[in-house]
Amino acid sequence: AQTVTQSQPEMSVQEAETVTLSCTYDTSESDYYLFWYKQPPSRQMILVIRQEAYKQQNATENRFSVNFQKAAKSFSLKISDSQLGDAAMYFCAYRSPRTYKYIFGTGTRLKVLA
Amino acid sequence: EAGVAQSPRYKIIEKRQSVAFWCNPISGHATLYWYQQILGQGPKLLIQFQNNGVVDDSQLPKDRFSAERLKGVDSTLKIQPAKLEDSAVYLCASSFTGTTYNEQFFGPGTRLTVL
Repeated sequence: AQTVTQSQPEMSVQEAETVTLSCTYDTSESDYYLFWYKQPPSRQMILVIRQEAYKQQNATENRFSVNFQKAAKSFSLKISDSQLGDAAMYFCAYRSPRTYKYIFGTGTRLKVLA
Repeated sequence: EAGVAQSPRYKIIEKRQSVAFWCNPISGHATLYWYQQILGQGPKLLIQFQNNGVVDDSQLPKDRFSAERLKGVDSTLKIQPAKLEDSAVYLCASSFTGTTYNEQFFGPGTRLTVL
């Protein structure tokens, strides 16, 4: 069975600085999708960025980028030029192309300090 | 485009009572997911529908939870009878299809408190 682990329950970053959130996963599948979701205090979960495992190039979306290390089963999220609006819970998620099921980590609470 | 709608937003009940949650997915989305998110944890998939058929309900406590998706559109999740440990946020999500990657859109959730 696949598992997703986020070892940082909480992280803090100064406004305009850069922060990296960690995620590791375990799977025996060779092809899959990985995601980072953001959940602000209002609870509506939104997609931040996704990575297809067959792609070697790391995904980037504006200030958000990932460091995908397939052999190490690591998928970290880097947020550059942090803004107050980035404060939220961030969840790493795995999606199997075989079962179509999403598996989420326990989340990292990001605080942005003014 | 309208997002995923859920109601109610909040519900407080006593243990052993029954409760039902409603979800209206984004128009045209064939796949619908129900998740349970306990405080401090990530969402856990309870059930996944493809149109009106169940794809995965392996983590649904079937002795007390039930779900249906009428005509492949709206869905209802029911708990009967509720236990204290059912206190959580219940999230509904939908995507265009589950067979290939398509973005999963979440609703605002229903916060259930069982006293």
